[in-house]
Amino acid sequence: RKEVEQDPGPFNVPEGATVAFNCTYSNSASQSFFWYRQDCRKEPKLLMSVYSSGNEDGRFTAQLNRASQYISLLIRDSKLSDSATYLCVVYSGGGADGLTFGKGTHLIIQP
Amino acid sequence: DGGITQSPKYLFRKEGQNVTLSCEQNLNHDAMYWYRQDPGQGLRLIYYSQIVNDFQKGDIAEGYSVSREKKESFPLTVTSAQKNPTAFYLCASSADTIGGYTFGSGTRLTVV
Repeated sequence: RKEVEQDPGPFNVPEGATVAFNCTYSNSASQSFFWYRQDCRKEPKLLMSVYSSGNEDGRFTAQLNRASQYISLLIRDSKLSDSATYLCVVYSGGGADGLTFGKGTHLIIQP
Repeated sequence: DGGITQSPKYLFRKEGQNVTLSCEQNLNHDAMYWYRQDPGQGLRLIYYSQIVNDFQKGDIAEGYSVSREKKESFPLTVTSAQKNPTAFYLCASSADTIGGYTFGSGTRLTVV
């Protein structure tokens, strides 16, 4: 069974700090990786795809480490509005069946 | 604005009843998906459809049924055979990228 593991948290972080969390995956043949953000009782929203070379979008940086089979998300200069659950999503091929969602990491930014 | 609309937002079902959750998109996406989310759990795939008049079972299809008669619409029926239907149901669509989904705002189904 495909596995995607995340530390559920919560991560309590002061506003303005930098926070990072990882997601490990078990299938070495995994092809594509994504981070989604989910606010309480809302739908997930795509935050960013994760590319092999790493990618940055404003304060957010995503990285992929294929050798150790994990992806990471780093948030710089955290804002109160960053408080949410961050879902790691891994695609291992074979159509929609091959997409696995992690259980999420809960982040709380404190004033 | 393009998007996905799910209705109703909240739904209460008596035991033994079938209920249908609506999902409509105007993004012109070919693929549509239904997921279920339980507290503290990852999303689990119920059914998906890559094209009109075709759909496939996901990991937890038992007790559910779908149809895809129109590109824009992918309703999900929760039948009485689903023994534990209380959950948050999410519909999603995508153009051509597996994983880059747009989700609807979800339907919370509760059995009373």
